Amino acid sequence: GAGVSQSPSNKVTEKGKDVELRCDPISGHTALYWYRQSLGQGLEFLIYFQGNSAPDKSGLPSDRFSAERTGGSVSTLTIQRTQQEDSAVYLCASSQGGNNQPQHFGDGTRLSIL
Amino acid sequence: SQQGEEDPQALSIQEGENATMNCSYKTSINNLQWYRQNSGRGLVHLILIRSNEREKHSGRLRVTLDTSKKSSSLLITASRAADTASYFCATLRGSQGNLIFGKGTKLSVKP
Repeated sequence: GAGVSQSPSNKVTEKGKDVELRCDPISGHTALYWYRQSLGQGLEFLIYFQGNSAPDKSGLPSDRFSAERTGGSVSTLTIQRTQQEDSAVYLCASSQGGNNQPQHFGDGTRLSIL
Repeated sequence: SQQGEEDPQALSIQEGENATMNCSYKTSINNLQWYRQNSGRGLVHLILIRSNEREKHSGRLRVTLDTSKKSSSLLITASRAADTASYFCATLRGSQGNLIFGKGTKLSVKP
């Protein structure tokens, strides 16, 4: 597609369940980013991929969070044993790589943990 | 952690007026970017200004950067109701790939 695509757009699940969020970046974009947006914390960086490798995982809030990217394209963010504080909008962005390239965002996945 | 702080947190103006939003940041930067977010949507890139630039224009947008004061401003001229959105500044530090966002300014333009 023309833009970054994220699925699902909304996810409601019970505390303790695992969730998997998907991001399809813009074709040809080598860099991929995950951010989290919540009312209390604003926009937080989670993880960054350059190709299939993740040189910066510093933003992952706990070991319950993991992400992978295969084939230099699609990425999945997995949250295990979800907690209520995980409720947020998870945003994915991609760029052509390089420090002076803008990031293009998807519309996010709104995750609600009951 | 947040790098930048936008000011004001909320701004309400009439159509046709200019809107000015400010951003301050804490550490040295590679570039500074402004993004816009409509309710329930992702962020849309507006403009990027590099650390060695002082001013940049794009249509009705004007961005300034003062690295000595670690601050930037976004001016939207002749505002329209469709400009109603939240506006975020974001900084890129060194060779790191991730952006660090401010908390945003919520702009409301009344017709």
